[in-house]
Amino acid sequence: ILNVEQSPQSLHVQEGDSTNFTCSFPSSNFYALHWYRWETAKSPEALFVMTLNGDEKKKGRISATLNTKEGYSYLYIKGSQPEDSATYLCAFMGSNYQLIWGAGTKLIIKP
Amino acid sequence: DAGVIQSPRHEVTEMGQEVTLRCKPISGHNSLFWYRQTMMRGLELLIYFNNNVPIDDSGMPEDRFSAKMPNASFSTLKIQPSEPRDSAVYFCASSQRQAAMPQHFGDGTRLSIL
Repeated sequence: ILNVEQSPQSLHVQEGDSTNFTCSFPSSNFYALHWYRWETAKSPEALFVMTLNGDEKKKGRISATLNTKEGYSYLYIKGSQPEDSATYLCAFMGSNYQLIWGAGTKLIIKP
Repeated sequence: DAGVIQSPRHEVTEMGQEVTLRCKPISGHNSLFWYRQTMMRGLELLIYFNNNVPIDDSGMPEDRFSAKMPNASFSTLKIQPSEPRDSAVYFCASSQRQAAMPQHFGDGTRLSIL
């Protein structure tokens, strides 16, 4: 059974602080790792798609790293802002091109 | 590009009625996904299509649920008869069937079964 786990489940961060959270996934039959940002009452929005071991992607204050050999990815947010409050989902794609979703990390930025 | 278009945005209907949700994927995308969001289970994949063909419907809750994709630009998710426990937000997403391509989500249909 393929399992994608995200930790922590929820996170409260003071505005201006930096934070990071983890996505763990199977280390075999790896094709891609997706990160999505999901704001309340909206739909999930793609942040990054990562395919290579050691890959690092960046979009503004948000960045992500990938370790396919050990099966984990980190998402970093530098200088958190209230608009960063959302649930961050990761999803593992194996050889069947189907995404297996994590349960998400709910990030709340305290002003 | 207009993005993934779902209709209706909101649907309120009585138990036992047939409900049809609609989705227009992004032009050129050959994979389409139907998801359901609930408080208990988060984001659940119900079914997905590649090139209009259903590939995996193992997430469809039961026989009351059915999905079709008659052509590359349209898909429906039907619930008949509907039950209160079907109340949820239903998302449609589309992508190009490649590992490095993200899924693009529609705005969702908020379904309430009374």
